[in-house]
Amino acid sequence: AQSVTQPDIHITVSEGASLELRCNYSYGATPYLFWYVQSPGQGLQLLLKYFSGDTLVQGIKGFEAEFKRSQSSFNLRKPSVHWSDAAEYFCAVGARNAGNMLTFGGGTRLMVKP
Amino acid sequence: GAGVSQSPRYKVAKRGQDVALRCDPISGHVSLFWYQQALGQGPEFLTYFQNEAQLDKSGLPSDRFFAERPEGSVSTLKIQRTQQEDSAVYLCASSKGGSTYNEQFFGPGTRLTVL
Repeated sequence: AQSVTQPDIHITVSEGASLELRCNYSYGATPYLFWYVQSPGQGLQLLLKYFSGDTLVQGIKGFEAEFKRSQSSFNLRKPSVHWSDAAEYFCAVGARNAGNMLTFGGGTRLMVKP
Repeated sequence: GAGVSQSPRYKVAKRGQDVALRCDPISGHVSLFWYQQALGQGPEFLTYFQNEAQLDKSGLPSDRFFAERPEGSVSTLKIQRTQQEDSAVYLCASSKGGSTYNEQFFGPGTRLTVL
């Protein structure tokens, strides 16, 4: 069964600083990988996804993520954080050959200092 | 068109009561998912429909949980004899196709509090 670990429960960065949120997954083959953002009272919004091909994927709102098979990681990055990026971020993995459900990590809460 | 909608947005139930949570997916979306998100946790899969067929219910925590999607659009998640551990946000998602490749669009959730 697949699993996802987000080691950082909370992260605080200053506005304008760079950001990296960590995600490690466990899966027997190359999975589908996703990053979602959840703002208070809002549904989950997809930031980006990786299925195959180029291991650096670009998403919305200036986010990008890099798939590293050797490290079983899919870290999310942004070069310059804006105050509106404060939210909860979830990494998720989907199986290629068994069911359509997503398995989510526990989330990382991002706070942005002015 | 509109996104995924869920009702009610908030529900308070006394322990032992039955509750019904509704999900209106995006029109034309084949797949529908229910997830449970406990406080401070990531969403956890409950069940999955493709049209009206419930293809996976492996995540339902007990036989008190029941989901249906009789006409392949609106879905209802029913919880019988609610317990305090059922308190969580219940998220519904829909996707256009029947593959994990298809993006899942999430509703705002129903926050269930069991007293």
